[in-house]
Amino acid sequence: GAGVSQSPSNKVTEKGKDVELRCDPISGHTALYWYRQSLGQGLEFLIYFQGNSAPDKSGLPSDRFSAERTGGSVSTLTIQRTQQEDSAVYLCASSLVRGGGYNEQFFGPGTRLTVL
Amino acid sequence: SQQGEEDPQALSIQEGENATMNCSYKTSINNLQWYRQNSGRGLVHLILIRSNEREKHSGRLRVTLDTSKKSSSLLITASRAADTASYFCATPLTRSGNTPLVFGKGTRLSVIA
Repeated sequence: GAGVSQSPSNKVTEKGKDVELRCDPISGHTALYWYRQSLGQGLEFLIYFQGNSAPDKSGLPSDRFSAERTGGSVSTLTIQRTQQEDSAVYLCASSLVRGGGYNEQFFGPGTRLTVL
Repeated sequence: SQQGEEDPQALSIQEGENATMNCSYKTSINNLQWYRQNSGRGLVHLILIRSNEREKHSGRLRVTLDTSKKSSSLLITASRAADTASYFCATPLTRSGNTPLVFGKGTRLSVIA
């Protein structure tokens, strides 16, 4: 596709429910990232995938958060037993593989999650 | 934890004026990037400056990097109402390829027509 897409764009859920957020990266981008942005805050890294390597989960705030990437393309971020503090905009990004950390990241429009 | 910290937190200027935003970071880096975010949604990459570069230009944007002071600045010249957005600096979490980025809290720029 032309860019990174995410769905849904908005999600309202009740505390304790599970939610799944989807990300479609740019075709050919082997690196995929999930970030979270709380109101008025910068972006917080959650997890990233690179090719077929095991994902780096070091940014996940709790074991209620998990993510998978199927077929090296689409990724799903799952939040179990949602809490009100999970309310945020969840942003997905993808990038080409480039050494040395010189990776421009392309972001999707985000999913705004509201936990009531 | 936040690596970059932008200054000021908010900036309001008249159309046509220049806007300068600053970023400080804590650890050694090999590059620094600036992103723009409109309406609290997706970010758009503006410019990347490598650690061996001191200044870089892209259209109306000028970025400087001072690795000795661990700081960077973004200058937008001849600002337009469409430049109204939040601007973030970002640095690599590690030096390995495709590392995640660490973002500051951003500067909210308002350009008044």
